[in-house]
Amino acid sequence: QKEVEQNSGPLSVPEGAIASLNCTYSDRGSQSFFWYRQYSGKSPELIMSIYSNGDKEDGRFTAQLNKASQYVSLLIRDSQPSDSATYLCAVESGGSYIPTFGRGTSLIVHP
Amino acid sequence: KAGVTQTPRYLIKTRGQQVTLSCSPISGHRSVSWYQQTPGQGLQFLFEYFSETQRNKGNFPGRFSGRQFSNSRSEMNVSTLELGDSALYLCASTNRGELFFGEGSRLTVL
Repeated sequence: QKEVEQNSGPLSVPEGAIASLNCTYSDRGSQSFFWYRQYSGKSPELIMSIYSNGDKEDGRFTAQLNKASQYVSLLIRDSQPSDSATYLCAVESGGSYIPTFGRGTSLIVHP
Repeated sequence: KAGVTQTPRYLIKTRGQQVTLSCSPISGHRSVSWYQQTPGQGLQFLFEYFSETQRNKGNFPGRFSGRQFSNSRSEMNVSTLELGDSALYLCASTNRGELFFGEGSRLTVL
């Protein structure tokens, strides 16, 4: 059973702070890792993909992958109230292109 | 480039009825995945179609079925609806694991 674990939160951070969202996965053979953002009442939206160990930056977002520790994280710098959403971690393994989703972490950025 | 289109957006059915949901993927994308999202279970994979063939299937009962047409449009059907089938059904164009979701079809079973 492939598992993807996330703290459900809510994670509350002040505007301008760094929000750190974490995800662990059980399948050591996992190859592809994704972060999705889902606003309340909306569908998930892909914000980051990462495939190799290390950091990947895109604007205010940085994804970090550590395959040895089976850990992937998302950092959001200069957090804005518009970043308030649920962040879903998804992990794909075995070449099926079918990711397994975590339950998501609720992020609240307060002014 | 048009996104993923799902219809209908909202629907209400009663137990025992059946429902068909439709999805048009991003133009040029040949793979379509379907997910069920509920507050209790999160996002659960239903099935994936590629070039009219079901390539992957999740752990759902046979009441859940789908198909894909030659133009890549896909439908999913749920027969003999149960109260627990109330959920947001999401279709996604898939590209090497990256999912591009439609707005979803919210099904309520009474």
